Amino acid sequence: AQKITQTQPGMFVQEKEAVTLDCTYDTSDPSYGLFWYKQPSSGEMIFLIYQGSYDQQNATEGRYSLNFQKARKSANLVISASQLGDSAMYFCAMGGGSQGNLIFGKGTKLSVKP
Amino acid sequence: EAGVAQSPRYKIIEKRQSVAFWCNPISGHATLYWYQQILGQGPKLLIQFQNNGVVDDSQLPKDRFSAERLKGVDSTLKIQPAKLEDSAVYLCASSLMGTETTEAFFGQGTRLTVV
Repeated sequence: AQKITQTQPGMFVQEKEAVTLDCTYDTSDPSYGLFWYKQPSSGEMIFLIYQGSYDQQNATEGRYSLNFQKARKSANLVISASQLGDSAMYFCAMGGGSQGNLIFGKGTKLSVKP
Repeated sequence: EAGVAQSPRYKIIEKRQSVAFWCNPISGHATLYWYQQILGQGPKLLIQFQNNGVVDDSQLPKDRFSAERLKGVDSTLKIQPAKLEDSAVYLCASSLMGTETTEAFFGQGTRLTVV
C-alpha cells in the first residue's frame, strides 16, 4: 500500500531564510509522481511542484525546489527566501497505483516570522 | 483559464439531514476527484471519475454518500443522512488525465458542519 509521511506538524522560519519540509513515502510501484501543495487559511489547495520517479534531476519552480532522494524514499520541499505569504499548511502527495489518484500526508504548518 | 468551481462554500445542517455539493471542473479535464478533508488531516479520496465513469470509489461510504458525473463534466456529491463525523471540507479536483504524473487542480472546497 502507498503511504506518505510528514513528521513535522509545525515549523517556524524567519522571513528571508530557507526552510526544508520533510516528506517520506512508501510504494511498490515503479512509476509514481510526488507533489507538494500549499493550503492557505482560505482552504484552496495550490499546486507547487512535481517530481517524477524517473526524473534524474531535482525539480525546481521559482523559490521552491524538491530534494528527491529515491533510495531513501524522501521528497523534501525546500523554500528559499521565505516570505510572510508562505505561512500555510503544506501537503506532500503521491500519485500512483492503477488509477493515479493522489494520496496525501498529514501536512506541515509553516509559520514565517517577520 | 477558469479554475475548479465549487458550491456552496459553506453549509451547516443538522444530523440526519441531506446535503449536496456541486463541482464544475476545468474545461477539458477528463478526471474528477472528490476528497474529504477532516480538520487537521490531509485530504482523503472519496471517489474518482474518468469522464462519466467511476474508476475508484473504494473509500466512499456508500450507505450514505453518493456521487455522479453526468455527461462527463459537472459532478454532485450527496450525503444522506449526514452524521456528525461528516463535518469536514469537501474538495473537488480535476486533472487532464488520471495518471500518477499529472497534477490535480483543486477548487476552494465546501466546508460542511453537521450539528
